[in-house]
Amino acid sequence: DAMVIQNPRYQVTQFGKPVTLSCSQTLNHNVMYWYQQKSSQAPKLLFHYYDKDFNNEADTPDNFQSRRPNTSFCFLDIRSPGLGDAAMYLCATSRDRGWVETQYFGPGTRLLVL
Amino acid sequence: AQSVTQLGSHVSVSEGALVLLRCNYSSSVPPYLFWYVQYPNQGLQLLLKYTSAATLVKGINGFEAEFKKSETSFHLTKPSAHMSDAAEYFCAVSDVYGNKLVFGAGTILRVKS
Repeated sequence: DAMVIQNPRYQVTQFGKPVTLSCSQTLNHNVMYWYQQKSSQAPKLLFHYYDKDFNNEADTPDNFQSRRPNTSFCFLDIRSPGLGDAAMYLCATSRDRGWVETQYFGPGTRLLVL
Repeated sequence: AQSVTQLGSHVSVSEGALVLLRCNYSSSVPPYLFWYVQYPNQGLQLLLKYTSAATLVKGINGFEAEFKKSETSFHLTKPSAHMSDAAEYFCAVSDVYGNKLVFGAGTILRVKS
């Protein structure tokens, strides 16, 4: 089945130690998104890639960066994780941008910062 | 700016009872609205979406939602709750440019046996 895959499902890192979360998709979608979801809150978009075009949300901290080396893969890099960065990180894809496009979500990676 | 408000952070129903989860939207353009479900420690799954083709939208797992422009609402319903419906439900609206989804705060549905 075509899907969005996130690895690992759980990630533990130390305060200030860089960490990378990965996302891959077999849907061949043009757009890939990264959302941050803190406990009991709604998902919040950090950035998205439209093909190779990177689009950062205005309020995304500089500590968060992303790479998309090819259509299938997208990475979320947190340069110096703080305790406040502990959250579920959701990757999503859509065929294209647009109001009616459905976003397909992966299972998420839960990040714990010690 | 686009936004959605979900009334009730927690809703509890008995198995077999009607499920009603409320969502009101604010939009400066014709809205495109979505309902997603999230089971514990999992990603979001699309239940249904409104794209202006029909005001009553049927989704998966027996859920449906009705778009009411006069009430700026897009409430989610299911005639008979099942234990497996226990999850968190998010209403969302596309932003003005269609570049992202803006989510409501979510409603946790509990189903009692």
